[in-house]
Amino acid sequence: DGGITQSPKYLFRKEGQNVTLSCEQNLNHDAMYWYRQDPGQGLRLIYYSQIVNDFQKGDIAEGYSVSREKKESFPLTVTSAQKNPTAFYLCASNSQGLAGPTQYFGPGTRLTVL
Amino acid sequence: AQSVTQLDSHVSVSEGTPVLLRCNYSSSYSPSLFWYVQHPNKGLQLLLKYTSAATLVKGINGFEAEFKKSETSFHLTKPSAHMSDAAEYFCVVSSGNTPLVFGKGTRLSVIA
Repeated sequence: DGGITQSPKYLFRKEGQNVTLSCEQNLNHDAMYWYRQDPGQGLRLIYYSQIVNDFQKGDIAEGYSVSREKKESFPLTVTSAQKNPTAFYLCASNSQGLAGPTQYFGPGTRLTVL
Repeated sequence: AQSVTQLDSHVSVSEGTPVLLRCNYSSSYSPSLFWYVQHPNKGLQLLLKYTSAATLVKGINGFEAEFKKSETSFHLTKPSAHMSDAAEYFCVVSSGNTPLVFGKGTRLSVIA
């Protein structure tokens, strides 16, 4: 059963703690992405990776870190430096077809800072 | 530079009536355009995409969109709304391998 999985679905964190969100895909996609979603603001790009062992900052990378040690996995760490981390986090990966790339999304992780 | 503007933050229709969600885009190159749907607390699902083939694109669940270069628009339509269509809809633009640019979303309400 192919797809993108994110875990956990809901995550609670105390202020000052780092937390890592998991994203795994078995679609054999090279490119993977992390987005943050806040009400009324659409999706904003945090980090993306187009190949293993390489990643680039997106529009709102401050307070976040990522790694891409395996093609299938692209974990996101929300650090204590992120001032307002409560949000819905979405992971995505790109397929490369003849008609151009298409992005597919995981089910999301809702992070709440207590 | 690319951008996308969804002209309505909220659209409300009665069940069985047509749906129109409006999207205008700006792109320096030949764009790829997408519509995604998101139900509450779920990920985004691809409805349809335009990639320089036919200007009228048919998607899933009876939705379609028409690419109009002269108007820089890519509006999403459906002839008859169902209750299950109630969700958030995102218009998205991309050129080549650049990251996607998302609109702020349109919330569709369907009234019984």
